[in-house]
Amino acid sequence: GAVVSQHPSWVICKSGTSVKIECRSLDFQATTMFWYRQFPKQSLMLMATSNEGSKATYEQGVEKDKFLINHASLTLSTLTVTSAHPEDSSFYICSAIGREMEKLFFGSGTQLSVL
Amino acid sequence: RKEVEQDPGPFNVPEGATVAFNCTYSNSASQSFFWYRQDCRKEPKLLMSVYSSGNEDGRFTAQLNRASQYISLLIRDSKLSDSATYLCVVAASGTYKYIFGTGTRLKVLA
Repeated sequence: GAVVSQHPSWVICKSGTSVKIECRSLDFQATTMFWYRQFPKQSLMLMATSNEGSKATYEQGVEKDKFLINHASLTLSTLTVTSAHPEDSSFYICSAIGREMEKLFFGSGTQLSVL
Repeated sequence: RKEVEQDPGPFNVPEGATVAFNCTYSNSASQSFFWYRQDCRKEPKLLMSVYSSGNEDGRFTAQLNRASQYISLLIRDSKLSDSATYLCVVAASGTYKYIFGTGTRLKVLA
C-alpha cells in the first residue's frame, strides 16, 4: 500500500519557539493532504486541507497565522506551529491522497510537547 | 450535537467475547463510512469500509442504516490484540474530508 512518512515522531520545545512537521508521500503524488490534531482521549480534529500549489483551507477555529501549512510539491506538505505554547501540545497527524486513489493514507503522527 | 457520536467506553470484555460498537452521524449527505482502529499514540489504521448491504471481514462485521444514520461494528471471538480505540469515520459525497468520532475504547482481558 501507499506510504506516508511523517517527521519528527515526537518533539519537545520551549514555549515561544516554532516547530515544523513534515509529511511526505513516498510512493505516490499527493494531490491533497490533510492535517489533524488530537488531544488526549479526544477525536482527530481536522485542522486544514492542503492542495498542492494552492493555499490551505483551514477549518473554523484554526488560526492560519499560527499553523502555517505549505504544500509546495506533490510529495511534501509541512505544518509549522509558530510561537508554540503549552496548549498547543497535542498529537498532530497528516494524511494524503492521490489521483484515482480511493482512501486516505495516514502518517505516523507527531507528538508535540511544549514546555 | 457532534457530527459523529460514539460511546467512549471503555468496554472491558473477556477473550472470546462478542462486542458491538455503535455510531451515529448527523449529516444525511454522508456517503462514505469507515471503521478505523487506533492504538495509543499511533496513527489510525483502516479496519474496514462500511457498505449499505453490510459487510464482513473475518471476525469483524459492519452494518450501515442510512435511515437511522447509524453504523455498527461487531467483533466476534475477541482477541487480546483487539484492544484499541475504534473510530467511526464519515465523509460526505465526493470528499475525503473525514469526520472522526471520538472513538470507543476496547480492552480485551485475558
